[in-house]
Amino acid sequence: GAVVSQHPSRVICKSGTSVKIECRSLDFQATTMFWYRQFPKQSLMLMATSNEGSKATYEQGVEKDKFLINHASLTLSTLTVTSAHPEDSSFYICSADLAGGGKNIQYFGAGTRLSVL
Amino acid sequence: AQSVTQPDIHITVSEGASLELRCNYSYGATPYLFWYVQSPGQGLQLLLKYFSGDTLVQGIKGFEAEFKRSQSSFNLRKPSVHWSDAAEYFCALNNAGNMLTFGGGTRLMVKP
Repeated sequence: GAVVSQHPSRVICKSGTSVKIECRSLDFQATTMFWYRQFPKQSLMLMATSNEGSKATYEQGVEKDKFLINHASLTLSTLTVTSAHPEDSSFYICSADLAGGGKNIQYFGAGTRLSVL
Repeated sequence: AQSVTQPDIHITVSEGASLELRCNYSYGATPYLFWYVQSPGQGLQLLLKYFSGDTLVQGIKGFEAEFKRSQSSFNLRKPSVHWSDAAEYFCALNNAGNMLTFGGGTRLMVKP
């Protein structure tokens, strides 16, 4: 159980285009999902917290107009990188929060490698 | 503020040898602690977690971790490492909310 699917796993796009990444919790409902960015050989950096039915909460320094997050259902959150530029190239990982009994566990997707040419 | 420190950026062990990855945390109360493993180009897989109770927790793939409050540590151990264990390991803390604070990670390399 507790499987999180992230799609696509890899995307290559031209500068100026927009890219949408999907994150789905397959066998549980997730009120909260998280989006992380990971630079090579570094730890995960939280970009935003996505709550179903409400606006995402962005971490300091993350441009909300650049990284659009939608969490329309309890099993799906999307991250859209708008007008992507080469500096947006990175590894993006989502997670879904499985809450129960006052304890929260995050389960992670397999990540999306974004390369902007 | 809470923080997680993994003192070792890289560790190399021989296959079959024992392993211990260090994790220290800073938090005012008893935290929820996690170890995740990340293979190259992949997401994070949960190895084990500590919420309360028995301070020695068992996880998947033969890993275990011990919570030591007096040392603010949650070190990950495995008695005999396999070549497939080569990966990046992250220790993380949850403050009973739903946000994780990650350590910087430890890259494990396994020599044949």
